[in-house]
Amino acid sequence: EAEVAQSPRYKITEKSQAVAFWCDPISGHATLYWYRQILGQGPELLVQFQDESVVDDSQLPKDRFSAERLKGVDSTLKIQPAELGDSAMYLCASSLNRGRETQYFGPGTRLLVL
Amino acid sequence: GENVEQHPSTLSVQEGDSAVIKCTYSDSASNYFPWYKQELGKGPQLIIDIRSNVGEKKDQRIAVTLNKTAKHFSLHITETQPEDSAVYFCAAIMEYGNKLVFGAGTILRVKS
Repeated sequence: EAEVAQSPRYKITEKSQAVAFWCDPISGHATLYWYRQILGQGPELLVQFQDESVVDDSQLPKDRFSAERLKGVDSTLKIQPAELGDSAMYLCASSLNRGRETQYFGPGTRLLVL
Repeated sequence: GENVEQHPSTLSVQEGDSAVIKCTYSDSASNYFPWYKQELGKGPQLIIDIRSNVGEKKDQRIAVTLNKTAKHFSLHITETQPEDSAVYFCAAIMEYGNKLVFGAGTILRVKS
């Protein structure tokens, strides 16, 4: 069964450092999402890609976060510089297309900023 | 924008009993409502979803009901088992908004 892959699974960093997360969606899925999940809360969308284009980054803190999906396949989410409040689970999801399509989630990257 | 409220925040049931989790949403244009199960340290896994052209959907021990007039939908788990223990999230999406908005989650504990 095809799955969304993410790496690393865990990341510990010090504040002001740069971190990067990688996501490989299910093959053939045109839409890719990055979510942030704070402990005890539901996931919140950070950015959504349709192929290589960003279609929604309204909740992405653009002063420190960036995301790219250069060839419309895998994607990288970067934080620079990391702050204590960025400690959370970062989830990647993909779907066949936009709209009422099922979103499939990866295992997530747990980030701890010290 | 869309807002989804989920109740209860925690739910403890005895093995074999039923569990019901309820969600309400704010945007009447929402038309897709998935439910996800998240186990500790893992990503959310879709367990069932419903679209606004149906009122109820069942998959073995799991069912979801949708009341568009009242703008609420519910997850029903029958004959609960210890492996059902997890955090459950409801969510809602508009057809062209493409943004999945999640509830705050329900911690379900099934006691054996």
